[in-house]
Amino acid sequence: ETGVTQTPRHLVMGMTNKKSLKCEQHLGHNAMYWYKQSAKKPLELMFVYSLEERVENNSVPSRFSPECPNSSHLFLHLHTLQPEDSALYLCASSQGFSGNTIYFGEGSWLTVV
Amino acid sequence: AQKITQTQPGMFVQEKEAVTLDCTYDTSDQSYGLFWYKQPSSGEMIFLIYQGSYDEQNATEGRYSLNFQKARKSANLVISASQLGDSAMYFCAMREGPFKAGGTSYGKLTFGQGTILTVHP
Repeated sequence: ETGVTQTPRHLVMGMTNKKSLKCEQHLGHNAMYWYKQSAKKPLELMFVYSLEERVENNSVPSRFSPECPNSSHLFLHLHTLQPEDSALYLCASSQGFSGNTIYFGEGSWLTVV
Repeated sequence: AQKITQTQPGMFVQEKEAVTLDCTYDTSDQSYGLFWYKQPSSGEMIFLIYQGSYDEQNATEGRYSLNFQKARKSANLVISASQLGDSAMYFCAMREGPFKAGGTSYGKLTFGQGTILTVHP
């Protein structure tokens, strides 16, 4: 059982839909991250939350809206997406800054039609 | 800005042979961390091995070892005795930071382009 769980694993949505991706970590970590992995591109950091406060937003369009209600849960709300937003969205969590404590979830495959 | 380069888009290896996946990095920081992840077709990023910049010995984890050459800024992954289940995408990553926020600290990972490893029977 992975320490970072993402749901749903697969999502197909129309450009006018509103949907959300969910991430939950069971590791007691204090930072959570959203990464985007598009075809033939390196993983791109989207958002960072540290103790439920958004501390990084890497020029992500407003059609992606993150939410971190507590240190264990992270959401990515999706609204009026474009086909080019189709990608694998990976959630990760970490504890402080030491060693190898950055763990990823299984990812959510998003297809925008 | 930090940068990770993986120059091998694809690699092939025979089962039970060893293979080296290349990774070079660029940073002006003195303290940094280097990671390797395995990503099977299912999408999950599986942590394999970690090397801290101040670690004097090369990291090893079972069949995985990291050939860390600090002066050359390289952190190659060596997989010994390859298995069919090793076929996957492999990513090298470097951690930036620490960044301070709200009384705690966090890091950020910068990833390379990845190398697709195929193990032949």
